[in-house]
Amino acid sequence: AQSVTQLDSQVPVFEEAPVELRCNYSSSVSVYLFWYVQYPNQGLQLLLKYLSGSTLVKGINGFEAEFNKSQTSFHLRKPSVHISDTAEYFCAVSPTSNTGKLIFGQGTTLQVKP
Amino acid sequence: EAGVTQFPSHSVIEKGQTVTLRCDPISGHDNLYWYRRVMGKEIKFLLHFVKESKQDESGMPNNRFLAERTGGTYSTLKVQPAELEDSGVYFCASSQGMDQPQHFGDGTRLSIL
Repeated sequence: AQSVTQLDSQVPVFEEAPVELRCNYSSSVSVYLFWYVQYPNQGLQLLLKYLSGSTLVKGINGFEAEFNKSQTSFHLRKPSVHISDTAEYFCAVSPTSNTGKLIFGQGTTLQVKP
Repeated sequence: EAGVTQFPSHSVIEKGQTVTLRCDPISGHDNLYWYRRVMGKEIKFLLHFVKESKQDESGMPNNRFLAERTGGTYSTLKVQPAELEDSGVYFCASSQGMDQPQHFGDGTRLSIL
């Protein structure tokens, strides 16, 4: 079985400051890793994904994440946030040999303050 | 191209009633997934269709939930009879292949009174 833990339920940060949203996972099999974002009253939008290859993955809106196999982590970072980045962020995994179903973390609400 | 569309956006019904949620995937996407988020909890997988066939329904909570995808196009998720614990946001997602990123709809917020 797989599980995903997002260590912070809420992360307040000032505009133009850097941010890191933490994600750890547990799995006995190989997994793909994802970060999704949900803006208010919208569906989930894919930010970035790690399937294989380089452990540093760049996504949309200036976000990036680094896959660390030894620490089973996939933390999301952005060097300078904007007010418009205020949203809920979800880390998810999907077993590589499975049907593609996603196992999500609990979500982290990023609150960017002016 | 049109995205994943879900109807209705919000539904309020009383305990014991029946509700049907609909999902229209992106055209050409064979894979269709249903997920649910109960308040305060994580988003959980319900089931997965490949065309009209159920590939994985391991996440369906009980037999009050019935999902169909006739003709391999749109899908419906029926809850009958609805219970209080069924309240939450139901998301639908679709993808071209099982190893392709999933595109999500805006969700249906279901409130059981």
